[in-house]
Amino acid sequence: AQTVTQSQPEMSVQEAETVTLSCTYDTSESDYYLFWYKQPPSRQMILVIRQEAYKQQNATENRFSVNFQKAAKSFSLKISDSQLGDAAMYFCAYGQGGSEKLVFGKGTKLTVNP
Amino acid sequence: GAVVSQHPSRVICKSGTSVKIECRSLDFQATTMFWYRQFPKKSLMLMATSNEGSKATYEQGVEKDKFLINHASLTLSTLTVTSAHPEDSSFYICSARGTGLPVTYNEQFFGPGTRLTVL
Repeated sequence: AQTVTQSQPEMSVQEAETVTLSCTYDTSESDYYLFWYKQPPSRQMILVIRQEAYKQQNATENRFSVNFQKAAKSFSLKISDSQLGDAAMYFCAYGQGGSEKLVFGKGTKLTVNP
Repeated sequence: GAVVSQHPSRVICKSGTSVKIECRSLDFQATTMFWYRQFPKKSLMLMATSNEGSKATYEQGVEKDKFLINHASLTLSTLTVTSAHPEDSSFYICSARGTGLPVTYNEQFFGPGTRLTVL
């Protein structure tokens, strides 16, 4: 079974600084997708960024970018120019191609200090 | 686009009663809906997957007779917690994916969640 590991239960960053959240996963499949979701205090899950495993280029969405290392099965999220509104729980998720389930990591609580 | 709503947002009920939670896709047809449970400060645990017009597929350890899921239309799925007990108190989240979307990314769109408290 696929597993997703987020080794940092909590992280903090100063406003305007950069922070990287770690995620590793385990799979024997070659066709899959990876996601980072944000869950603010409102509890609404928001998709931050996604990456298809077959793409070598790292995905970017404005201040959010990933470092996808397929051989190492690593999928870290970098948040640049951190803002107070970035404070939230961040979940890394794995989706199997052809399947519809998502497997979530345990999450990283990000605090942004003013 | 791709909005999913849940109703109610909060519900308090007495032990032994049943509670129904609705999940609706507002601007797309949800061929598949998912129900998750989230405990405080914990991750999302998939309870079941439901496809429109067919029986739900439950994850191991989830009681199908206790958590009844119906996906009767392409825009509505319901989760009924039957004979609720205090240990069923939790945050329940639905998500959906379907047609009319960039489904190649296997993306799920999440509802805002329902907080259930059983007294």
